Amino acid sequence: QVQLVESGGGVVRPGGSLRLSCATSGFTFSHHAMYWVRQAPGKGLEWVAFIHYEGSNENYVDSVKGRFTISRDNSKNTLYLQMNSLRAEDTAIYYCAKDRDYGSGSYYTDFWGQGTQITVSS
Amino acid sequence: DIQMTQSPSSVSASVGDTVTITCRASQGIGTWLGWYQQKPGKAPKLLIYAASSLQSGVPSRFSGSRSGTEFTLTISSLQPEDFATYYCQQAHTFPLTFGPGTKVDI
Repeated sequence: QVQLVESGGGVVRPGGSLRLSCATSGFTFSHHAMYWVRQAPGKGLEWVAFIHYEGSNENYVDSVKGRFTISRDNSKNTLYLQMNSLRAEDTAIYYCAKDRDYGSGSYYTDFWGQGTQITVSS
Repeated sequence: DIQMTQSPSSVSASVGDTVTITCRASQGIGTWLGWYQQKPGKAPKLLIYAASSLQSGVPSRFSGSRSGTEFTLTISSLQPEDFATYYCQQAHTFPLTFGPGTKVDI
């Protein structure tokens, strides 16, 4: 069955860095676009980043542009999110999610990981 | 950016009721609209994509429709497991954006 397992979360000081990983199984990772979506405590969902199935195209929400980088290793079936210059407002649960369709992306997500908590605090 | 609004923000209902949630896009998005269900402490689950297509494995009591830039999620014959928060998401343009959510409770 499809599984996505995030890791790398934790507590970090403002200005610090973290790298999230999302290990996947149960589907052909290299055929699907992938996403990171976050949810601040008690708040709604916010899409963070997208990466094309080949890794040839990325897109980010404005609030993380220049600070976060999404990447993937199709040989390891793993998605990453490098997070630099972290701010208090980045505190959230971060989910990785799989695109519903093969190929360039439908921009709908049909499987999600359980999420990993990021807390940015001094 | 495309702004998504939802109404109501919360609704109280009983088992067996029909619940309707509305989502509006700030500009035209065609049928590029999805609906997700999220239960406390869990990841969201895709219910509807392309405004009215039922995701595999989702019960048929969930349905979606579109009228211009207004979209509706209807839950017929509400079941105990349907009490959750529902989000719409536009899939038309980056940045992808979600509505603020509608909580369905007892």
